[in-house]
Amino acid sequence: GQQVMQIPQYQHVQEGEDFTTYCNSSTTLSNIQWYKQRPGGHPVFLIQLVKSGEVKKQKRLTFQFGEAKKNSSLHITATQTTDVGTYFCAGQWDAGNNRKLIWGLGTSLGVNP
Amino acid sequence: NAGVMQNPRHLVRRRGQEARLRCSPMKGHSHVYWYRQLPEEGLKFMVYLQKENIIDESGMPKERFSAEFPKEGPSILRIQQVVRGDSAAYFCASSPPGPKNIQYFGAGTRLSVL
Repeated sequence: GQQVMQIPQYQHVQEGEDFTTYCNSSTTLSNIQWYKQRPGGHPVFLIQLVKSGEVKKQKRLTFQFGEAKKNSSLHITATQTTDVGTYFCAGQWDAGNNRKLIWGLGTSLGVNP
Repeated sequence: NAGVMQNPRHLVRRRGQEARLRCSPMKGHSHVYWYRQLPEEGLKFMVYLQKENIIDESGMPKERFSAEFPKEGPSILRIQQVVRGDSAAYFCASSPPGPKNIQYFGAGTRLSVL
């Protein structure tokens, strides 16, 4: 079945270091979304990527969608303690009526001050 | 515009009882999704509903679990005869009509089965 693999599962960094999480899909995606979940909280939408090779930036966060629309990455430059949380990618296959997202298992980011 | 509202926030049930979880989507949203999350784990898709219709229930166990999204009122996830393994956080999300399938999540219901 359709799967989204996300690595690494956990990462701890010193404040100021960079961080990257990667997602890979078994099949071509219609689009991919990224969400952040703070400890004890609920997932919050960050961004959606639709086009092949798309790159989007939000302040210190850079999101990429691969040329084949099968992989994606989220890069955080100079992490801060406010970046702590779990980052999920979620892929959509069906551009039609089924809007179901398939979720990666998430990357849990810890930041040491 | 109020966000996605889930209640109760915490629910304690004994084995064999029924659990009823409610989700009111954001105003104007016609798509509702239910997810289950175990501690330190990812989100597991359960069911996707659009007003009065179940679109995809491939992630929902065939027995004891059911979901509905009536024309009026909130979406309900119902778990009959709960077992300890049902203890988890259950999140509901909603999305607006249109091509941008962005999901807005509620705060979740933490179900504990004693």
